[in-house]
Amino acid sequence: GAVVSQHPSRVICKSGTSVKIECRSLDFQATTMFWYRQFPKQSLMLMATSNEGSKATYEQGVEKDKFLINHASLTLSTLTVTSAHPEDSSFYICSAREWSGAYNEQFFGPGTRLTVL
Amino acid sequence: GESVGLHLPTLSVQEGDNSIINCAYSNSASDYFIWYKQESGKGPQFIIDIRSNMDKRQGQRVTVLLNKTVKHLSLQIAATQPGDSAVYFCAERSGAQKLVFGQGTRLTINP
Repeated sequence: GAVVSQHPSRVICKSGTSVKIECRSLDFQATTMFWYRQFPKQSLMLMATSNEGSKATYEQGVEKDKFLINHASLTLSTLTVTSAHPEDSSFYICSAREWSGAYNEQFFGPGTRLTVL
Repeated sequence: GESVGLHLPTLSVQEGDNSIINCAYSNSASDYFIWYKQESGKGPQFIIDIRSNMDKRQGQRVTVLLNKTVKHLSLQIAATQPGDSAVYFCAERSGAQKLVFGQGTRLTINP
């Protein structure tokens, strides 16, 4: 299957700093990318959906000014957690889909563990 | 609102036995269903999918059953192996809409 990578795999930062997470589709062009957050022993919760060249669509309750998403190319999306606080500590997972067809598979990245001290 | 839930949060089976993981969904408009496996500290891994015009689909050692009448989805794993230990999520989607994940079932294998 197609490969989605994330970088970094884990990051520890101080409260108040900003952290950028990259998501790349390695062998396909992702017209749509998704960002999820997963707290321990919980399911994946969709944060936002981004289409290449467009503004991201955020889920209810997700602050767009805090979680900045950029999908500037068909192979790269970034999530920036601005002014991170300990409650932002979580496992962030991106996913990419090749086109917007209903049955097209979504491929998931390996996740990024964010710890805010 | 939409919700996809699982009947059991944990499942423990003997190595070599068959495992059955269940999932209930509430959106009758959902037409595409997927099972994912997630190992600790990793992203979800696609296992098998099924469209709403089917009621059964088989893969290698895995079978997904879909009962649209009662909005129920199950994943059967044959001859469960230690490497099958993980959390399994069902997910559903309506058309090109977002994936909605269930809460997950942790599968543990007893030697």
